[in-house]
Amino acid sequence: DAKTTQPPSMDCAEGRAANLPCNHSTISGNEYVYWYRQIHSQGPQYIIHGLKNNETNEMASLIITEDRKSSTLILPHATLRDTAVYYCIGADQTGANNLFFGTGTRLTVIP
Amino acid sequence: GAVVSQHPSRVICKSGTSVKIECRSLDFQATTMFWYRQFPKQSLMLMATSNEGSKATYEQGVEKDKFLINHASLTLSTLTVTSAHPEDSSFYICSASRQTQYFGPGTRLLVL
Repeated sequence: DAKTTQPPSMDCAEGRAANLPCNHSTISGNEYVYWYRQIHSQGPQYIIHGLKNNETNEMASLIITEDRKSSTLILPHATLRDTAVYYCIGADQTGANNLFFGTGTRLTVIP
Repeated sequence: GAVVSQHPSRVICKSGTSVKIECRSLDFQATTMFWYRQFPKQSLMLMATSNEGSKATYEQGVEKDKFLINHASLTLSTLTVTSAHPEDSSFYICSASRQTQYFGPGTRLLVL
């Protein structure tokens, strides 16, 4: 699995867009970029994933650079409930392989 | 869709006893389930990969005789912590895979 690099922490004002960056320069051609988040004392929650095209769902948008070496998760209107640790993970889409959780980015949404 | 449940959500047991944790995929079938462990202020660490109908594959350093995994059906996997000790106290999380991995809410184990 590709190693990813994320800033350890970020703050975001409530109601503003939260942009969480991730570097994955060693990602291989068949690996997708997955984003999960973990709210305190809960299991990780799947957010979104993509291969090379930008993706959007009801939770977030995922912007992947053309060279696929980095991506940005966008929470368009952050709320206090979005405070969590966000993990960017490179993995294939078979689901047969484990996910490597690095240290992630601790996002704090400030009122 | 893609809901994974775990039971119990938290358990306290005495040292030396065994504890069973159940992981169920409620609305999909999962040929592969994973068990992770998370210590305070640390990230998730994979313990084992479980495929339905076959023996689990354990990560290096995880004792297979201590952490028994059974994946009897496409919707149920169980983790039994045998002869639990205080150092086994942790947050145990399972995931079920349907291409994407979906995680359960976790089980907090405290061994006294």
